Amino acid sequence: AQSVTQPDIHITVSEGASLELRCNYSYGATPYLFWYVQSPGQGLQLLLKYFSGDTLVQGIKGFEAEFKRSQSSFNLRKPSVHWSDAAEYFCAVGAGNTGKLIFGQGTTLQVKP
Amino acid sequence: EAQVTQNPRYLITVTGKKLTVTCSQNMNHEYMSWYRQDPGLGLRQIYYSMNVEVTDKGDVPEGYKVSRKEKRNFPLILESPSPNQTSLYFCASSSFERGAFGSGELFFGEGSRLTVL
Repeated sequence: AQSVTQPDIHITVSEGASLELRCNYSYGATPYLFWYVQSPGQGLQLLLKYFSGDTLVQGIKGFEAEFKRSQSSFNLRKPSVHWSDAAEYFCAVGAGNTGKLIFGQGTTLQVKP
Repeated sequence: EAQVTQNPRYLITVTGKKLTVTCSQNMNHEYMSWYRQDPGLGLRQIYYSMNVEVTDKGDVPEGYKVSRKEKRNFPLILESPSPNQTSLYFCASSSFERGAFGSGELFFGEGSRLTVL
């Protein structure tokens, strides 16, 4: 069965510092992987996705993520965090064409001035 | 403007009183899905639909029903709501241009906060 684990419930970084949010998944085949961001009181917005090909994917707002099959990970990174990046971040895994999409528990990012 | 519209946005109801949360999208998407969001649990999929008249259970379907009679609408029905269904609900849609999730982008509604007393 699919599952997604985001080990860090809450992360605080200083503005301008680098960021890495962890995501580990469990799925038997090559997964479809996603990172979404949710600002307070809002719905979710797609940051980036991985279907196949280059394992380093670029997204919006300066985010990138790297798919590492050997580690079953899809960590999200940003070299320099801005105060506006404070939000909740969700990793998700999709099982091919089944229509099922599993989200992680989410990581709340706080940015210190 | 491309959007997913949910109604109502906020609702307080009582145990056992049937309610429907509507969801409509204007992007001609084949795929639609309902999620509930609870603190510490992330988003959990309730039901999804791959196309008109095609629906399937997600991970937490108990206590919910859905229907997909038209492509644009995917209502979520709570026949007899209970307090454990108090949650924030999201509807989302996507296309199938490149496989299961098309471009990969789920378009989310703004959410419906439901309280069952």
